[in-house]
Amino acid sequence: LAKTTQPISMDSYEGQEVNITCSHNNIATNDYITWYQQFPSQGPRFIIQGYKTKVTNEVASLFIPADRKSSTLSLPRVSLSDTAVYYCLVGGAYGGSQGNLIFGKGTKLSVKP
Amino acid sequence: DSGVTQTPKHLITATGQRVTLRCSPRSGDLSVYWYQQSLDQGLQFLIHYYNGEERAKGNILERFSAQQFPDLHSELNLSSLELGDSALYFCASSLRGDTEAFFGQGTRLTVV
Repeated sequence: LAKTTQPISMDSYEGQEVNITCSHNNIATNDYITWYQQFPSQGPRFIIQGYKTKVTNEVASLFIPADRKSSTLSLPRVSLSDTAVYYCLVGGAYGGSQGNLIFGKGTKLSVKP
Repeated sequence: DSGVTQTPKHLITATGQRVTLRCSPRSGDLSVYWYQQSLDQGLQFLIHYYNGEERAKGNILERFSAQQFPDLHSELNLSSLELGDSALYFCASSLRGDTEAFFGQGTRLTVV
């Protein structure tokens, strides 16, 4: 499993764009990059997945450079409700790999008014 | 609503006791994962079942065991409970290991 490194915490203000970077130097050729979001006392939920370049959905964008050794989750114009922990997973599709679905410590995003 | 149902939502029990947590996956999902999340801790992967068979095992204590039944619901059994076992226990399901995982609302276990 490729090890991931992401900041422990980030602060932002409402209306700002937030970029959370995840490093995964040992990513394998077949690995996907998947991000999950977890609100306090709730289970995580899938937000976005990508393999290369850029992926965008109604919630976020995911930027992946050509070497794929890092990725950046971009949340446009955050609101207080985006306060959550964001997990970066590298492995099979949707984060699963060899039967595991492993979450690291994630990045705790705090959005302030 | 993710479609994954966990019962009970809350459980308070004493040290040394045994409890069973139940998870009903989304209709059609064959994979069930169990996680433990202590206060301010990350999600610790415990175990993964696929269509009734154990697929992968994480940091699951010997005092803990799980199984997935023919109807695909799963149970996590925790025995000889200790204060440190107090945590949120999440179950997730997916169609298979490489498809989107959906999490339940969790069972909050408090050991006193």
